[in-house]
Formats: sequence, structure tokens, C-alpha cells
Amino acid sequence: AQTVTQSQPEMSVQEAETVTLSCTYDTSESDYYLFWYKQPPSRQMILVIRQEAYKQQNATENRFSVNFQKAAKSFSLKISDSQLGDAAMYFCAYRSLNGNQFYFGTGTSLTVIP
Amino acid sequence: DSGVTQTPKHLITATGQRVTLRCSPRSGDLSVYWYQQSLDQGLQFLIQYYNGEERAKGNILERFSAQQFPDLHSELNLSSLELGDSALYFCASSRTSGWPTDTQYFGPGTRLTVL
Repeated sequence: AQTVTQSQPEMSVQEAETVTLSCTYDTSESDYYLFWYKQPPSRQMILVIRQEAYKQQNATENRFSVNFQKAAKSFSLKISDSQLGDAAMYFCAYRSLNGNQFYFGTGTSLTVIP
Repeated sequence: DSGVTQTPKHLITATGQRVTLRCSPRSGDLSVYWYQQSLDQGLQFLIQYYNGEERAKGNILERFSAQQFPDLHSELNLSSLELGDSALYFCASSRTSGWPTDTQYFGPGTRLTVL
């Protein structure tokens, strides 16, 4: 069964604008970790931001922030002031507390239009 | 090119058979991770080795096993293959054991087809 769902295979945004990437997940656990990773063409998987489920405050990292809705099992990524270097594949991921379950979504390809 | 190599690129075999997938990490990377990507599914973490020792275990079947050798290359062994094992298998490496926050470098993958 698909644990992590990214329903937007492709997204585009104008440079300097804001874009939101969606992610939903399924779990019966109360504590877990959620991540957004960026994968450029070089195939690195770079951690963008992470959220611990027990923390109610949404994580932020510079221009990247998340909207974590635990009850809705939703974890969206907002990129503000988009830059050309933000163009990449973005993966949402879920990790169980004990680390035995770690799933990525199918990814969203983000294009930044100059 | 991420610096991670995987062989073979493609593998076609029959049900019940055993295969070995090989991965060479980037120079200097001590951790190797294995992932499975089935059709239209996301990546699923299988197992991580760090400097020769198993560090984290994901949703890996008992028919699957892996190891990391002293030269840090890794092999994923898949046995008693079933049709459902057909997938892309990715190897990734990272500098340290700081998973899952370390940047991981992915190989090009091995496409396994079980007939």
C-alpha cells in the first residue's frame, strides 16, 4: 500500500513567486518523522526540511516552510521567492520512529520559469 | 554522474531464481543504502550499511539480504524470486551514518524483471 502520496507529478512557478507542493501520508503511529528532499539531475537526495510529528510548530528553513496538518495527515512544502536553482524533483518521505519504515512518495517535478 | 555505480543495469530472470546486485559507493562514503521502487510507487527503503555493519533495516523481505564488504562496496542478494520482485533497485551512499539527514547520492539503478 502506498504510504506517501504526492498527487502533483509536475508543478511550475515563476521566478520569485511562491509555490506549494502537496503530500499526504498514511500511518497509524502517533509519533514519526516527515521529510522533504530535493533531487537535482545529479541524483543527490538533499534534505530540505524535516518535521517531527510531536511538534505542533511548522518547520521552516529559510525560504522553505511546511504546513503540517497531523489530523489530516498532510505535509505540504511551501517555497517562497522561488529561484532557478530550486528546479528539481521533490520527494516527500515518511519515517517511523524506530526507523524500520521509511517511504518516499513518487515525487513532484518542479520547474522554475525565468 | 553521482559517483555511485551499480551493476548490472538490467537483469532478467525467472521465478525461483537468485540474483545479486552490486553497488560501489562514492569515494569516501561510508554508508550504503538500498531502495526498491516498484512500478508507479515511491522509493521504499530496504537496508543501510555503515562501514561494514548493518545500521538500519527497513521493509526488507527475508528472501533478501545484503552486505557491505571491507572495500565498502555492497551487494544485495534476492532469492526465491517472485513476479512481484520486479522493480528498480537503487543504491545510494552518504559520507557518514547520519541517516536520514545526510545527503544521499543515488546510483542509476538496476532494473530487475522476473518472468
